[in-house]
Amino acid sequence: DQQVKQNSPSLSVQEGRISILNCDYTNSMFDYFLWYKKYPAEGPTFLISISSIKDKNEDGRFTVFLNKSAKHLSLHIVPSQPGDSAVYFCAENSNSGYALNFGKGTSLLVTP
Amino acid sequence: NAGVMQNPRHLVRRRGQEARLRCSPMKGHSHVYWYRQLPEEGLKFMVYLQKENIIDESGMPKERFSAEFPKEGPSILRIQQVVRGDSAAYFCASSPLRVGQATGELFFGEGSRLTVL
Repeated sequence: DQQVKQNSPSLSVQEGRISILNCDYTNSMFDYFLWYKKYPAEGPTFLISISSIKDKNEDGRFTVFLNKSAKHLSLHIVPSQPGDSAVYFCAENSNSGYALNFGKGTSLLVTP
Repeated sequence: NAGVMQNPRHLVRRRGQEARLRCSPMKGHSHVYWYRQLPEEGLKFMVYLQKENIIDESGMPKERFSAEFPKEGPSILRIQQVVRGDSAAYFCASSPLRVGQATGELFFGEGSRLTVL
């Protein structure tokens, strides 16, 4: 039973445009959501997180939005760059759990 | 400050053999997590360990899989009598705190890719 869902397996965006990656969740008892980025043959690396008490967190070109009523969060990358091409995972952290629960990932391709 | 170190990076085993994957956490991190990524799938939690203790192994198959994190040395994920379905990338992650005590950021190694022939 997937608690964190990324319904779009892939996304293609032109360089300079905005990339929007989406994530839906079922468990309302969480503390943070995190986004990780993964290149082929490498481990995931942390990108940005958002606390349950916030609805937006921004870090440079990356902004995460949280809509608690819809149980939905999104990662915006603007402007998108070819080096952003990777698989992006959202992950949930609940204070009652011992580990992060990851979605299946969305593969982003940024074309020149 | 070295990151999470995993070895081997690639491992090939025949059905029925044993696979041992090693993970050295980042310096100062006492919490270790193992995740598995099957082809075309996301990261699935397997087990969470602290030094000498298994805290949560709810994601680990009941048979053939075991994990340890001894007082000295790396954490080991052991798979006995491997089958083709065990072929996957196995990622180790570490953190200075338990996931629920902070944002939950985990630091991942580059993974060990197991291929079972």
